[in-house]
Amino acid sequence: GEDVEQSLFLSVREGDSSVINCTYTDSSSTYLYWYKQEPGAGLQLLTYIFSNMDMKQDQRLTVLLNKKDKHLSLRIADTQTGDSAIYFCAESIYGGSQGNLIFGKGTKLSVKP
Amino acid sequence: DTGVSQDPRHKITKRGQNVTFRCDPISEHNRLYWYRQTLGQGPEFLTYFQNEAQLEKSRLLSDRFSAERPKGSFSTLEIQRTEQGDSAMYLCASSLASGANEQFFGPGTRLTVL
Repeated sequence: GEDVEQSLFLSVREGDSSVINCTYTDSSSTYLYWYKQEPGAGLQLLTYIFSNMDMKQDQRLTVLLNKKDKHLSLRIADTQTGDSAIYFCAESIYGGSQGNLIFGKGTKLSVKP
Repeated sequence: DTGVSQDPRHKITKRGQNVTFRCDPISEHNRLYWYRQTLGQGPEFLTYFQNEAQLEKSRLLSDRFSAERPKGSFSTLEIQRTEQGDSAMYLCASSLASGANEQFFGPGTRLTVL
């Protein structure tokens, strides 16, 4: 069945780069997404990547996709304390025709000053 | 437009009571999704609508759960005879049925069943 896995915790120092990793199992995934959730809040869509792309950059965020290994990563450059949150990787298993998302359990990013 | 809104933000109820939550999507979005999130987990899909039609329901959605989107705008999620296991954050998202189908989430309704 479909499964999305992420490491649960990541701790970095302010100003360093953060790399959050995700693996997924469904090879028919067409879009993969990264969401950010701050305490007590809903999910904020950060970025997404289409499966025929290897990389997407958006300001401080870089997404890398290795479709062969079903591995997705999110790099945050110059990490700030405001980046502290839980980051979820999600796949869209029907490629947008229905688009229900399958989420990982989330990676809690802690940024130390 | 301020995004997806949900009401109430918090609901405390006693086991066996019925509860109803409301979601107002982004106005031009024709798709609306309900998810449930428990502590330490990612959101899990419950059901989705395209306009007023409910097109898919997860096996997580027991017979005690019902969702409606009568005019293709706002949606309601009702839970009958609540159980302690229903305690969770209920999230609503909306999207346009095109392109990357980017889903935008509301702040959620946190349900506590005593």
